[in-house]
Amino acid sequence: LAKTTQPISMDSYEGQEVNITCSHNNIATNDYITWYQQFPSQGPRFIIQGYKTKVTNEVASLFIPADRKSSTLSLPRVSLSDTAVYYCLVGPPYSGGGADGLTFGKGTHLIIQP
Amino acid sequence: EAGVVQSPRYKIIEKKQPVAFWCNPISGHNTLYWYLQNLGQGPELLIRYENEEAVDDSQLPKDRFSAERLKGVDSTLKIQPAELGDSAVYLCASSSPGQGINEQFFGPGTRLTVL
Repeated sequence: LAKTTQPISMDSYEGQEVNITCSHNNIATNDYITWYQQFPSQGPRFIIQGYKTKVTNEVASLFIPADRKSSTLSLPRVSLSDTAVYYCLVGPPYSGGGADGLTFGKGTHLIIQP
Repeated sequence: EAGVVQSPRYKIIEKKQPVAFWCNPISGHNTLYWYLQNLGQGPELLIRYENEEAVDDSQLPKDRFSAERLKGVDSTLKIQPAELGDSAVYLCASSSPGQGINEQFFGPGTRLTVL
């Protein structure tokens, strides 16, 4: 089971690009990297998932180096509403069995200031 | 499309009392998860269902916790008897085959307070 390490908290300002890095030195060959966002009093919400190189969607980009031992979630031009906890998870794709990859950790508390 | 529905949203009970939480996943989602989230921590998996089968319940404290998903749709998580340390948010999530095990849709959670 791959373990992840993220900064406990980060601060930034509206309009800035924010990059949150996650370390996962023991990532397995078939593990994917997934990021979730959680607001207070809500369940986590899926942001992005990737295996290697770069993945981009309408919300964020995910950068994964060749060795896959870390990944960076990039949030472009953040706003106050991006203040939330961001979780990095690693684990295998859906297999119909097994439980790896369902460890959220403590996440990164991102605070956006005006 | 309706999201994952959980009820109740809040529950306050005295220790040693039983409590039950209900979850209705997104229609068509075969996989259902129950998580526990303590304040300041990330969610911790309690049990995962594939249809009506519990495929991973290794983290479920079976002496007091139980869960069921009899028809492979909605699910109930029960605690009997509740202890002070069970105060937490209980989250339900669901996912669909083909979307990947980590692409889960979460409900709003049930906040349990044990007095």
